[in-house]
Amino acid sequence: GDSVTQMEGPVTLSEEAFLTINCTYTATGYPSLFWYVQYPGEGLQLLLKATKADDKGSNKGFEATYRKETTSFHLEKGSVQVSDSAVYFCALFRDDKIIFGKGTRLHILP
Amino acid sequence: GAGVSQSPSNKVTEKGKDVELRCDPISGHTALYWYRQRLGQGLEFLIYFQGNSAPDKSGLPSDRFSAERTGESVSTLTIQRTQQEDSAVYLCASSPQTGQQSYEQYFGPGTRLTVT
Repeated sequence: GDSVTQMEGPVTLSEEAFLTINCTYTATGYPSLFWYVQYPGEGLQLLLKATKADDKGSNKGFEATYRKETTSFHLEKGSVQVSDSAVYFCALFRDDKIIFGKGTRLHILP
Repeated sequence: GAGVSQSPSNKVTEKGKDVELRCDPISGHTALYWYRQRLGQGLEFLIYFQGNSAPDKSGLPSDRFSAERTGESVSTLTIQRTQQEDSAVYLCASSPQTGQQSYEQYFGPGTRLTVT
């Protein structure tokens, strides 16, 4: 069945560092891909999405490109802030439901 | 406006008891979803509603789990004869779209269930 694999956390970086969180998926066809984020004490929220191959989703300085050749959707940000500390979930949409990865906890040190 | 709300926020119950978890979606949202997140695991899909009907119940882990939705609004997830492996955070989400457009989902804060 369809699945999403993302890098294990926690990931700890200093402020202004470059961030990459790896995500790969297994699915038939070309499902829509997402990154969701959960800030401390808050509910999950959609961060960005890409609905077809080669699309780039972006929001709040984060980007991810839908790569069908490598079945990947890695999350990147050029300069992270303390306020980016959260848990990030990579996900795909299939048959009216979202399939999530296990989540990657990100800590940003001032 | 008001987001998705869930109650209770925390529930501790003894093994073998029944529990009922409630979700109030965003007003007007047609689709409603239940997910479960066990410690160290990703979110698992449980069930989704389109209006008051549930086209996909494939994620319910056993017949001890059931859910209903009334008035295209509130939904309740019921777990009968709870077991320790049911301990998890149960998340509800709603979407203004249905079918292939329902990927943008708005999540509630979750109910943390602990079975002792």
